[in-house]
Amino acid sequence: AQSVTQLGSHVSVSEGALVLLRCNYSSSVPPYLFWYVQYPNQGLQLLLKYTTGATLVKGINGFEAEFKKSETSFHLTKPSAHMSDAAEYFCAVTSGSARQLTFGSGTQLTVLP
Amino acid sequence: GAGVSQSPRYKVAKRGQDVALRCDPISGHVSLFWYQQALGQGPEFLTYFQNEAQLDKSGLPSDRFFAERPEGSVSTLKIQRTQQEDSAVYLCASSLVGNTVETQYFGPGTRLLVL
Repeated sequence: AQSVTQLGSHVSVSEGALVLLRCNYSSSVPPYLFWYVQYPNQGLQLLLKYTTGATLVKGINGFEAEFKKSETSFHLTKPSAHMSDAAEYFCAVTSGSARQLTFGSGTQLTVLP
Repeated sequence: GAGVSQSPRYKVAKRGQDVALRCDPISGHVSLFWYQQALGQGPEFLTYFQNEAQLDKSGLPSDRFFAERPEGSVSTLKIQRTQQEDSAVYLCASSLVGNTVETQYFGPGTRLLVL
């Protein structure tokens, strides 16, 4: 079985400040981890993913995430928030032979001017 | 089109009505997924197709939910005798081959409201 916990359903940051969105996972086998972003009335768009290899993963729009096995975490960061980053962010996991993604409950990011 | 498309985008149904939701995946994508996203929640898996074969339907909440993909391209999710708890956004996603590490590309969803 696999699961994802996203700490903080709402996060607010000032424009230009660091963005940190937290994700912890549970998986009985090595996980594959994803971050998706969802803008209002749009589908989910992949930001980045970790499969194997380098644990620091860079994605689109300046986002990156680090896979930490010892902490079972995959937190998403961006050094400097932009107004256009305001959206809902979902962490997801899959593993083993599973094809489907298991999502967290999401974090709504607000960027304050 | 370049992306996954879904129709209708919005559907209002009276309790007890049947509804059909359509998904057009990216051309050439073998795998197709349906997810249900309740308000304020993350998407939850419903079912998975590889070509026309429905390989996993473990997430379908009841026998009122039925999905098909008869020619391995367009898929339809049908909900019979809709209930208020069926109100949600239904998301379709496709991927090229369907292995575990592949990116799934999502459509904009169909927002279903059951009154």
